[in-house]
Amino acid sequence: GDSVTQMEGPVTLSEEAFLTINCTYTATGYPSLFWYVQYPGEGLQLLLKATKADDKGSNKGFEATYRKETTSFHLEKGSVQVSDSAVYFCALITNQAGTALIFGKGTTLSVSS
Amino acid sequence: DVKVTQSSRYLVKRTGEKVFLECVQDMDHENMFWYRQDPGLGLRLIYFSYDVKMKEKGDIPEGYSVSREKKERFSLILESASTNQTSMYLCASRSGTLYEQYFGPGTRLTVT
Repeated sequence: GDSVTQMEGPVTLSEEAFLTINCTYTATGYPSLFWYVQYPGEGLQLLLKATKADDKGSNKGFEATYRKETTSFHLEKGSVQVSDSAVYFCALITNQAGTALIFGKGTTLSVSS
Repeated sequence: DVKVTQSSRYLVKRTGEKVFLECVQDMDHENMFWYRQDPGLGLRLIYFSYDVKMKEKGDIPEGYSVSREKKERFSLILESASTNQTSMYLCASRSGTLYEQYFGPGTRLTVT
């Protein structure tokens, strides 16, 4: 079945460091891909998305490119801030009625000043 | 902005109690979902509903039931709470198939 695999954390970085969180997927058809973020004590909120191959999603300095050939959707940010400390979830959905998002297990990012 | 609200942020119940978790969305979304979130396991889908009175089992439905009598409200029911149901419960809603899912703030349930 469809699945998402993302790198295990925690990821610990200093402020202004470069961030990469790897995400690969297995899916039938052509899924849409998402990154969600969960700040401490809160629910999940959408960070960015891409709906077709080669699309680049971007928001708040974060970027991810939908790579069909490598079935990947890696999250990157050039310079992280302490306020980026959160749990990041990669997710996909396929174009079938009555389906739910499938999530990876989440990667905890901790940024220190 | 879409708003998904959950009835409680924190809940403490005793083993064997019947527990109701309520979720309400204000954007007329067809689809609603219940997940549980546990450390190291990520989000796991319990049940979802794509229309009023319709429900589908997710990956871990055992020990849970749901009710959707109105489009805006989706309830998760623990018929007889057990300690292994101690978790964070997240509700979400979505319009259509390929659109963003909006999440509520979560209910942290502790069963003692």
